[in-house]
Amino acid sequence: AQSVTQPDIHITVSEGASLELRCNYSYGATPYLFWYVQSPGQGLQLLLKYFSGDTLVQGIKGFEAEFKRSQSSFNLRKPSVHWSDAAEYFCAVGRKAAGNKLTFGGGTRVLVKP
Amino acid sequence: EPEVTQTPSHQVTQMGQEVILRCVPISNHLYFYWYRQILGQKVEFLVSFYNNEISEKSEIFDDQFSVERPDGSNFTLKIRSTKLEDSAMYFCASRGLAGAETQYFGPGTRLLVL
Repeated sequence: AQSVTQPDIHITVSEGASLELRCNYSYGATPYLFWYVQSPGQGLQLLLKYFSGDTLVQGIKGFEAEFKRSQSSFNLRKPSVHWSDAAEYFCAVGRKAAGNKLTFGGGTRVLVKP
Repeated sequence: EPEVTQTPSHQVTQMGQEVILRCVPISNHLYFYWYRQILGQKVEFLVSFYNNEISEKSEIFDDQFSVERPDGSNFTLKIRSTKLEDSAMYFCASRGLAGAETQYFGPGTRLLVL
């Protein structure tokens, strides 16, 4: 069964500082990996995704993530955080199958200090 | 940019009542999903739907739940007799053809069962 772990429940970062959110997955084959962001009261917005190829993927809002098969990780990074990045971030794993359900991690809530 | 829409944004209902949550997926998408997020918990998969039938469902999706695509644009989730524990945010998602694995989420319907 597929599973996703986001070890950090909360992260507080100063505006302008770098941010890294951790994601570890468990899946028997090559996974499809996603990062979504949820602002308060909003839905889930796709930040970026990895299916195959280059293990460093670029997303929207200046985010990037790196797939490391040896570590079963897909960490999300941003070099310089803006106040508007305060939100909850979800890592998810999917599979190539008829249903292709996504399994989500528990989320990491990011607080941005001025 | 096309997006998934959901109505209503909020619904309050009494325990034992039936509710229908509505979604309009992105047109030309073929795969449809419902997920839910109980307050403070993970986003959980409920059901996937393709070619007018359920392709996968979770243990949560018991006989009290049903999905339907009544016409060419809407995708609905019905809860026949709501329980207190059905209170959650319900997200609809859709994706395109096989090979286009990204799921796009709607803004959600917050359901409160009293």
